[in-house]
Amino acid sequence: EDQVTQSPEALRLQEGESSSLNCSYTVSGLRGLFWYRQDPGKGPEFLFTLYSAGEEKEKERLKATLTKKESFLHITAPKPEDSATYLCAVQGYSGYALNFGKGTSLLVTP
Amino acid sequence: DGGITQSPKYLFRKEGQNVTLSCEQNLNHDAMYWYRQDPGQGLRLIYYSQIVNDFQKGDIAEGYSVSREKKESFPLTVTSAQKNPTAFYLCASIRQGSTEAFFGQGTRLTVV
Repeated sequence: EDQVTQSPEALRLQEGESSSLNCSYTVSGLRGLFWYRQDPGKGPEFLFTLYSAGEEKEKERLKATLTKKESFLHITAPKPEDSATYLCAVQGYSGYALNFGKGTSLLVTP
Repeated sequence: DGGITQSPKYLFRKEGQNVTLSCEQNLNHDAMYWYRQDPGQGLRLIYYSQIVNDFQKGDIAEGYSVSREKKESFPLTVTSAQKNPTAFYLCASIRQGSTEAFFGQGTRLTVV
């Protein structure tokens, strides 16, 4: 059974203080690993898809990387508007559904 | 504009009542999904459908039912058999051949 574990559960950063969020996964054949951003009371917003170990993708202050066991979402010089919950999900070849972790709640203070 | 529309945004249900949550997409996506989100629990899959007139149970299907009579629509009924229905419900869709899921803005259901 696919499993996704995100850490930490919550993270508080000062504006400009870079850090990383972790997503550890087990899946029987990885079709894709996904990162989403979710603001309170809203639906998740797609950020990245990673397909194979060694792959990296960037968008503004965010960079996602992938190994065979985990993915990292690196946040460089964060701003208060980066505050949100970041969700990681995997899709395996055994099914079509996305399996989500519980998320990391990020708060960036001025 | 293309997208996924969930309605209503807020829904209140009395105990013992069935309620139906709407999910409509104009993205021409084949696959549609229903997730439930509780505080500290992440998203859990209720039902999904790859094509019209076909759907499969997810991890927490008990107390829920769905239909897929049209490609654009995937309504979710929360029945009286669902013991703890208060939650945030999210609908998503994926285009065939793609892995990127688009989400609606959610429906918050509260049992009163």
